Amino acid sequence: DVKVTQSSRYLVKRTGEKVFLECVQDMDHENMFWYRQDPGLGLRLIYFSYDVKMKEKGDIPEGYSVSREKKERFSLILESASTNQTSMYLCASSSYYEQFFGPGTRLTVL
Amino acid sequence: KNQVEQSPQSLIILEGKNCTLQCNYTVSPFSNLRWYKQDTGRGPVSLTIMTFSENTKSNGRYTATLDADTKQSSLHITASQLSDSASYICVVSAGAGGGNKLTFGTGTQLKVEL
Repeated sequence: DVKVTQSSRYLVKRTGEKVFLECVQDMDHENMFWYRQDPGLGLRLIYFSYDVKMKEKGDIPEGYSVSREKKERFSLILESASTNQTSMYLCASSSYYEQFFGPGTRLTVL
Repeated sequence: KNQVEQSPQSLIILEGKNCTLQCNYTVSPFSNLRWYKQDTGRGPVSLTIMTFSENTKSNGRYTATLDADTKQSSLHITASQLSDSASYICVVSAGAGGGNKLTFGTGTQLKVEL
């Protein structure tokens, strides 16, 4: 059974803090993604990676960076968290045909 | 611009009843269309995935249809259960590969009541 896990289900941080969100997949997929999901806006792509150490900006990369040092792990970094980054963050990995999502991290920035 | 629009935005039905959710898309070049179910506070889980040549696909009580000519899809839920309460998201994939370049709808929030 395919599995995408995320390091935290809920996270509360303060404005200006550096935040790390980690995602691990066990399917040996090359492609991994980070999305944020906000009410009424659907899922929006932040960054994606198609190989180790490779990354591409998605639709809303501002304020975020990513790291992919190993194939199974894709990290999302908020260098200096702001209140407008309060959101649900979803990681996904994909085969040729389908994307598989993690359970999500609900991040609140105070 | 690629877009996916879903209707209705929200829906309340009684347990045991059927319902149909709609998805219209303008995505090019079309690769496949997926329906996901997302429980509150959880990640989306795939229900069905259809390519250009498929016009119907079922997964238990869920049946998705695709009309590639009119660029419309529907998700029909039969004999609804309380556990069907969730957001249903239509996602269209563009280009080759199918796993990338996804355009997401904003979802239909379904509530099933006793």
